[in-house]
Amino acid sequence: NAGVTQTPKFRVLKTGQSMTLLCAQDMNHEYMYWYRQDPGMGLRLIHYSVGEGTTAKGEVPDGYNVSRLKKQNFLLGLESAAPSQTSVYFCASSNGRSNNYGYTFGSGTRLTVV
Amino acid sequence: ELKVEQNPLFLSMQEGKNYTIYCNYSTTSDRLYWYRQDPGKSLESLFVLLSNGAVKQEGRLMASLDTKARLSTLHITAAVHDLSATYFCAVVVTHMEYGNKLVFGAGTILRVKS
Repeated sequence: NAGVTQTPKFRVLKTGQSMTLLCAQDMNHEYMYWYRQDPGMGLRLIHYSVGEGTTAKGEVPDGYNVSRLKKQNFLLGLESAAPSQTSVYFCASSNGRSNNYGYTFGSGTRLTVV
Repeated sequence: ELKVEQNPLFLSMQEGKNYTIYCNYSTTSDRLYWYRQDPGKSLESLFVLLSNGAVKQEGRLMASLDTKARLSTLHITAAVHDLSATYFCAVVVTHMEYGNKLVFGAGTILRVKS
């Protein structure tokens, strides 16, 4: 039972490069989320999705795009990376329509933009 | 917009002592989570609190929720070194159109000293 899998686990980008972070879940969850974690700021929501083909903005969406073409996958894209996007990125999923749902987090992607 | 405030942000404790971490949130919510994070690791779910007056305990940790005061507490009893970690509270916000999302506090870094 894999749960939530994030790839890659580590990446170094040069300013202006692009990349895509992949989140995959095997729990048939409806909801998926992308967060970034920076020291002293907790986890801040970038974008989220309440189902296949739908996405919504979170607290800090600028500079990121997302897609949810398949229910099990949620992609986070950086079109032109900036040093301010150096962070640890976490994906999470949830079956938000049940009465007793929880959130399952991936192991994180550590991204450095130089 | 929901704001979640934790205090203290850093806590240095002696082994065997008791202490409380506080989590205040600004708008109505029906669900609050406490998570633990070890350095370089993902988030581990500790408690979910669903109703006013809810109290949950696991080992030396006890969490409570007062929805009227919009306050949750995480009480640590007779701290041991293994409890050293960062603790986050997170509150669910439900949007009619975009579903639910999880908003985090900044986290409390707990260090237990021998």
